[in-house]
Amino acid sequence: AQSVAQPEDQVNVAEGNPLTVKCTYSVSGNPYLFWYVQYPNRGLQFLLKYITGDNLVKGSYGFEAEFNKSQTSFHLKKPSALVSDSALYFCAVRDKDNYGQNFVFGPGTRLSVLP
Amino acid sequence: EAQVTQNPRYLITVTGKKLTVTCSQNMNHEYMSWYRQDPGLGLRQIYYSMNVEVTDKGDVPEGYKVSRKEKRNFPLILESPSPNQTSLYFCASSYADTQYFGPGTRLTVL
Repeated sequence: AQSVAQPEDQVNVAEGNPLTVKCTYSVSGNPYLFWYVQYPNRGLQFLLKYITGDNLVKGSYGFEAEFNKSQTSFHLKKPSALVSDSALYFCAVRDKDNYGQNFVFGPGTRLSVLP
Repeated sequence: EAQVTQNPRYLITVTGKKLTVTCSQNMNHEYMSWYRQDPGLGLRQIYYSMNVEVTDKGDVPEGYKVSRKEKRNFPLILESPSPNQTSLYFCASSYADTQYFGPGTRLTVL
């Protein structure tokens, strides 16, 4: 069975500092990995995905994530945080070899960027 | 504008009273899905559909039904809602593994 862990419920960072939101996953086959962001009273918005190829994936709003197969991790990063980045972030995984496309989401990490 | 719409956005109902939450997408996506979001649990998939007349259970399908008679619509049906179905519900459609989410429906079952 697939699973996603986001070990931190909350991450606080000062504006202008680098940020990292952690994600580890478990799938039986090869993973497709995703990050989504949720702003208050809104649906989820797609940030980036890893399907294949380069382990460093660049996405929207200056975010990037690094796929590490040996550590089964897909941490989200940004070099310089903005107050407007404050939101709830979800990591998700799908088993590439699972034709049924069952996506599994992590519990979410709330990012607070302090001015 | 490409979008996923859900109706209603907010609903308060009573135990046992059948309800339907509609979901529609205008992007011609084949894959659609329903999730519920609960604090500390993230999003859990209820049902998904890979195309018209093709639906399958997600992780938490108990107490829910879906149908996919047209590509654009994927309604979620609660035949006999119970208080443990109080939650925030999201519909999504997907292309190339990227999911596009609706704005959410906040359901309260008393």
